[in-house]
Amino acid sequence: GAGVSQSPRYKVAKRGQDVALRCDPISGHVSLFWYQQALGQGPEFLTYFQNEAQLDKSGLPSDRFFAERPEGSVSTLKIQRTQQEDSAVYLCASSLAGQGNEKLFFGSGTQLSVL
Amino acid sequence: GQQVMQIPQYQHVQEGEDFTTYCNSSTTLSNIQWYKQRPGGHPVFLIQLVKSGEVKKQKRLTFQFGEAKKNSSLHITATQTTDVGTYFCAGTEGAGSYQLTFGKGTKLSVIP
Repeated sequence: GAGVSQSPRYKVAKRGQDVALRCDPISGHVSLFWYQQALGQGPEFLTYFQNEAQLDKSGLPSDRFFAERPEGSVSTLKIQRTQQEDSAVYLCASSLAGQGNEKLFFGSGTQLSVL
Repeated sequence: GQQVMQIPQYQHVQEGEDFTTYCNSSTTLSNIQWYKQRPGGHPVFLIQLVKSGEVKKQKRLTFQFGEAKKNSSLHITATQTTDVGTYFCAGTEGAGSYQLTFGKGTKLSVIP
C-alpha cells in the first residue's frame, strides 16, 4: 500500500473489555514496530517483528498485551481486560529491511479511550 | 536503561524568528533521528545523523550531532506557520539496534 494503515482510527472500550488493533504495513517492509504514545509524550516502544518473528516484546507493559504478525505482513495488537491506564494512541511503524538505523514510517495510529 | 531528554518542552515564537530544540542522551548513541508530528498527526521522519559532529541541512532546518554522540540539536531559521508541530529526537544505542528511544518532544507554536 501507499503507507502504513491502522484501524480502527478511534476505539472506545469499557474497562475490562478486550480490544484488537490492526496494522497493515507498507508492502514488502520486513520490520514492524508497535509504539504507545500517551498525551503530550513521545512514542514508547512496545514490540518489534522481523517478518513473522517477534524478536522483542520487552516494552509490552503487562501480560494483558499481546501482538502477532502470523504471515509477516498484517499485525494485530491485542489488549485484554483493558484498564484506564491503557488509554493512549497506539502507533504502528514499519521499515524496509531488518536492520538498525532505518527510518520508520508511521501509521496514523489508533486512539484508545478506556472508560 | 537509555533515556533521551529534550528541551524545551514548549516554544512559542513569532513568525520569522529562529527556533532551536536540544536533545540529550544518557548513553552514547549509534545514530539519532528526528521526526515531526503535526497536531493530530503521526510522526514523520525528517533526518538521520550517524557520524560524530555531523551537520546536515534541509532548507531552513539544520541538524547537528554532537562530537560525543550523546546530544543533538535542530535549528529552524525564520520560522513559518507551516513549521508548527512537535519535534522529536529518537536514538538507538547499539550499531545494529532497531529500538528507537524517543524524547518527549518540543512543541513549537508559531504566532503569525
